[in-house]
Amino acid sequence: AQSVTQPDIHITVSEGASLELRCNYSYGATPYLFWYVQSPGQGLQLLLKYFSGDTLVQGIKGFEAEFKRSQSSFNLRKPSVHWSDAAEYFCAVGDRISGNTPLVFGKGTRLSVIA
Amino acid sequence: NAGVTQTPKFRVLKTGQSMTLLCAQDMNHEYMYWYRQDPGMGLRLIHYSVGEGTTAKGEVPDGYNVSRLKKQNFLLGLESAAPSQTSVYFCASRPPGQGYNEQFFGPGTRLTVL
Repeated sequence: AQSVTQPDIHITVSEGASLELRCNYSYGATPYLFWYVQSPGQGLQLLLKYFSGDTLVQGIKGFEAEFKRSQSSFNLRKPSVHWSDAAEYFCAVGDRISGNTPLVFGKGTRLSVIA
Repeated sequence: NAGVTQTPKFRVLKTGQSMTLLCAQDMNHEYMYWYRQDPGMGLRLIHYSVGEGTTAKGEVPDGYNVSRLKKQNFLLGLESAAPSQTSVYFCASRPPGQGYNEQFFGPGTRLTVL
């Protein structure tokens, strides 16, 4: 069964600074990979997803993520953080073999943005 | 399209009371899910459904029951609420198809059990 690890529980960055949120997965093959964002009091919104092809994926709100097979990682990046990016971020893995199994989510990384 | 909606948004129960959470989606999605979210635990899957009339257990099914009598609705029931079920509950849905389509989430239900 697949699993997801987000090593950082909480990260604080200054507005305008760059951001990288880490995600490592465990899966026997190349999985489907997702990043979701949850603003305070809201549901989850998809930022971006990786299925195949180009390993650098662009998403909404200026985010991107890079799939690295050799490191089993799918880290999320943003070159310049805005105060509105303060939220919780979840990495998720989907089973490529059985498409109807649910996504497996990491425990999340909470991002705080300071002036 | 309203997307995924959840009713109610907030609820306070006493220990032992029962209630049903309703999830509705108007996107004709086959798959639906119920998660609970607790601090430091991320999202944990309670039950899910891959089609009308079918349900399956997730990671933390104990104390919950579900039904999918209509394709657009997925109900989560607590027969005898316990304080450990205090949580935020999220419903999600997604369409079948090639590859793995994204899950669409509802806004959540905040449940407190006293």
